[in-house]
Amino acid sequence: DAGVTQSPTHLIKTRGQHVTLRCSPISGHKSVSWYQQVLGQGPQFIFQYYEKEERGRGNFPDRFSARQFPNYSSELNVNALLLGDSALYLCASSFLTGVQPQHFGDGTRLSIL
Amino acid sequence: QQPVQSPQAVILREGEDAVINCSSSKALYSVHWYRQKHGEAPVFLMILLKGGEQKGHEKISASFNEKKQQSSLYLTASQLSYSGTYFCGTGYNQGGKLIFGQGTELSVKP
Repeated sequence: DAGVTQSPTHLIKTRGQHVTLRCSPISGHKSVSWYQQVLGQGPQFIFQYYEKEERGRGNFPDRFSARQFPNYSSELNVNALLLGDSALYLCASSFLTGVQPQHFGDGTRLSIL
Repeated sequence: QQPVQSPQAVILREGEDAVINCSSSKALYSVHWYRQKHGEAPVFLMILLKGGEQKGHEKISASFNEKKQQSSLYLTASQLSYSGTYFCGTGYNQGGKLIFGQGTELSVKP
């Protein structure tokens, strides 16, 4: 079975632009979480979605938004990009919400110039 | 609120043991352990819930000390494949939000 898939794998943008990152969860998984990982640090929680509803939000500005679709795939949108948004963005899926093993995708490497 | 992991880095010879600690200043509900190799996604290892249980399989196990708000990951008879960065992710309620530590870099040498 396919794991969590994310697209694109790499992306280069300039300051002020907008970006959309995509995630397809493992088949049967209904919850998707987004994390930002800066080099040398642990993943930082951005959002969790379950059954198309936001179930948790981390300490990120309103420039960050996300949504989950009826097929449980998800998009992360970031507006007005800043240099500090350069990071690896990870998507993780789990069967349900709550205390569940989260399975990560390989991430999208976002570079802001 | 970010959990503190120790040590920050450790170098082992094949066959040696290691312990990685994860401490929280806030009451924990769950602790999740992951291993991430360079350039790859974090891989789930195990979850521990409050109650002081110990879990594990083969040579990797973990414990949860509720009194100390601490979890420890035990790697015994280390193998080259154990190399990577180990992260603990802490949960403070029944929700799915995890706060990850800064990671412990483990290198196993032949």
